[in-house]
Amino acid sequence: SQKIEQNSEALNIQEGKTATLTCNYTNYSPAYLQWYRQDPGRGPVFLLLIRENEKEKRKERLKVTFDTTLKQSLFHITASQPADSATYLCALARDSNYQLIWGAGTKLIIKP
Amino acid sequence: GAVVSQHPSRVICKSGTSVKIECRSLDFQATTMFWYRQFPKQSLMLMATSNEGSKATYEQGVEKDKFLINHASLTLSTLTVTSAHPEDSSFYICSARGQDPYEQYFGPGTRLTVT
Repeated sequence: SQKIEQNSEALNIQEGKTATLTCNYTNYSPAYLQWYRQDPGRGPVFLLLIRENEKEKRKERLKVTFDTTLKQSLFHITASQPADSATYLCALARDSNYQLIWGAGTKLIIKP
Repeated sequence: GAVVSQHPSRVICKSGTSVKIECRSLDFQATTMFWYRQFPKQSLMLMATSNEGSKATYEQGVEKDKFLINHASLTLSTLTVTSAHPEDSSFYICSARGQDPYEQYFGPGTRLTVT
């Protein structure tokens, strides 16, 4: 079965630097992969979606890459700010007819 | 746009009672709604998928008689936890999907504590 691995340890980054989070999957290549932000006691908020035929997607300070050979997606936040501190979740699906499979998330802490 | 609300945000109930959680899509029609539960520092676990006007599809290991889901309209789904026990204490989150099959919009979640 498909499993998603995200670094369970918190990632501490100095303000202004680029934060990079990793999402690895173990089985089939998903049709698409998504990244969400979740704040404590809140539901996830959709950030970016990248499809299997896309290598990179950008949105403002966010960038997502997708390497189907490595079975990995990287999520980058450039010029990080303390307000970016949150848990970031990776989710993927075989295709739009299937439910999302979720990683446990990585907690990101941006220090001023 | 694409706002999903949940009510209540927090609820404390006694063991053996039932609790209803509402999930509403405020500015779009949700063809499909999902119910998740999440334990601290763990990933979201999908409990069930519901389509308006039809019975919910439950994931393996989720008791459908205990977690009753009603998707009565394109903007409202409810989850009722029946005969709640302390082990049902968790964070319950709903999400809704509109016309775009790739996007899910999440509610703010409901913290259930069973004493």
